[in-house]
This record gives sequence, C-alpha cells and structure tokens, in this order.
Amino acid sequence: KNEVEQSPQNLTAQEGEFITINCSYSVGISALHWLQQHPGGGIVSLFMLSSGKKKHGRLIATINIQEKHSSLHITASHPRDSAVYICAVKAAGNKLTFGGGTRVLVKP
Amino acid sequence: SQTIHQWPATLVQPVGSPLSLECTVEGTSNPNLYWYRQAAGRGLQLLFYSVGIGQISSEVPQNLSASRPQDRQFILSSKKLLLSDSGFYLCAWSSDWRETQYFGPGTRLLVL
Repeated sequence: KNEVEQSPQNLTAQEGEFITINCSYSVGISALHWLQQHPGGGIVSLFMLSSGKKKHGRLIATINIQEKHSSLHITASHPRDSAVYICAVKAAGNKLTFGGGTRVLVKP
Repeated sequence: SQTIHQWPATLVQPVGSPLSLECTVEGTSNPNLYWYRQAAGRGLQLLFYSVGIGQISSEVPQNLSASRPQDRQFILSSKKLLLSDSGFYLCAWSSDWRETQYFGPGTRLLVL
C-alpha cells in the first residue's frame, strides 16, 4: 500500500462544476502539499498546509490531521483548471512522498 | 525574486551514453535542492537532495549520481544511461525543509 493515496485517479467535469480531490496518507507528517502539473510538465505549488484550511482564489485545501486526510476543492471549475493535481506529504527529514496524482479534465 | 532554471529542456540520448543535467537557482542563498524523476505514467519520485555544497543524500539506489559544486548549482549525472532512465526530471528548491518547494521547468529525457 502506498503511503499517499489519491482519489479519484481521473476526473472529468463540466465547466462550472465543483470538484473535490482526496488525499489519504498513512504516516505522521509535518506538512502536506498540493501541486498542479500542467500538460507540458511544469509543476506549481498550490498549497502547503499542516492544519485547517487554506483558500486561494477558487481553490480550497483542507486537512484533517487526526484522520490523515486532505481534500482539494475547485469551485466554479474552468477548462484552464485541467491538469494533474498531486498530493505530497512531508514526513521525517527533507523528503516529500507523492501521491499518484489526479488527472482533471474540465470540459467547456 | 527567486527563479530556478533547468537545461536542457529536452534530451534524446542513446543507451550507454553519459548524462549531465543542470539546475541553477537565482535570488536565494544556501537553498535546499532536490532532484525528482517522473517516469511515464508514474508519480514523482525523489532521487537526491542537498542541504549544502558537497552534501548529497540519495533516496533511491540507481545508476544516477548528483553533485552540488556551487551553492546554487545542482547537477544530475550518469556514466551510462539505461532505457529505464527515460522520464521527466525536475529540480526543486526550498529555503529550508519546513518550507514550500519550488519546481523548475523540467528536462524530458528519452533514452533510446
């Protein structure tokens, strides 16, 4: 079993729909990252959080440390949100452990 | 502001040839530096990280090596490439281990 599991693996939504991506992990962590990888491969860090909730524009990230679970929500989704969203956790030391990613396609 | 560069952007190499990928960071000093690989259809995997000049930690045993000859330069190398080395290689930096990592544009490597 992977230390970081994401669901769903693939998601297709219509423009305007509310999207939720889930991340579960099995180890104790100091922080959790949500990353966005565009079709060309470039990666952008969206959030780093260790408790509670963060919001940036139409993106909202939440984390429940007790349940070892985080969610990334996209409100009023748009075709430009189409990308792979990756959850990564920081456990002991410097390294991040990555989930397998969720491929999101938003259709106009 | 800080920026991170990687080159080349794409590379096609024959099996058995050497490899050198370079990553440089501007606008910060003494960053933590990271090399990741993303194989086709697979997730990101940490290969190496460095907390200072000459300090390299290897996460995955393989035929790759990393070096940090200068504070803001991180090099990924191989003496003899394997087919399985094909993938997308990403360099990242952070100000320290508690902070967000910022990724470079990546190098797409195809070994034939």
